[in-house]
Amino acid sequence: EVQLVESGGGSVQPGESLRLSCTASGFTFGSYGMSWVRQAPGKGLEWVSVISESGVITYNTGSVKGRFTISRDTSKSTIFLQMNSLRAEDTALYYCAKAISRGVTAMDAWGKGTTVTVSS
Amino acid sequence: DIVMTQTPLSLSVTPGQPASMSCKSSQSLLHSNGRTYLYWYLQKPGQSPQLLIYEVSNRFSGVPDRFRGSGSGTDFTLKISRVEAEDVGVYYCLQSLQFPLTFGGGTNVEIK
Repeated sequence: EVQLVESGGGSVQPGESLRLSCTASGFTFGSYGMSWVRQAPGKGLEWVSVISESGVITYNTGSVKGRFTISRDTSKSTIFLQMNSLRAEDTALYYCAKAISRGVTAMDAWGKGTTVTVSS
Repeated sequence: DIVMTQTPLSLSVTPGQPASMSCKSSQSLLHSNGRTYLYWYLQKPGQSPQLLIYEVSNRFSGVPDRFRGSGSGTDFTLKISRVEAEDVGVYYCLQSLQFPLTFGGGTNVEIK
């Protein structure tokens, strides 16, 4: 059974940093791309970032470019999201999600999420 | 960015009755490889999203056959043949043809 467990969320002030982690199990981690998707309180889903199976290719959505960095450690079956210069509008529940298959970015499994609150 | 527009915003359905919702993309989701990168998810209250349909019309593992996806190009539809109480939640479409991936705003389905 695929399991994705996010951690690292918390409450910070604008301009501060956080590092989210997502540890995976139940599948061959190194064979799948991984994404972060967020959901602001009471709002819809927003895709944030993706990293390829190898970790070589990454892509961020426009609103976080230059501030967020996605990475992965295959030896630990874990992906990370380094979030710098946080803004109030980054407040959300952050989900980690597994790609459906190699070469397909869409997701077929999600964690329960970790909450990030940015407020002064 | 590809804009995904879902209608209606909300749907109230009697159990056992059908339901239908639409998702339109601002450009075709057909790739040169012949695949169309349109997906449907359901987020039940208090839960994480779950994949229902991939590449327009393929039901994901374990998804009941009362869910049916259809469409092509820029116009897509998700139909539930007979709504059950467990189908309540927000339905989202997603395109993964190009970065950034984009979701529709969602259709909220409730039971009458």
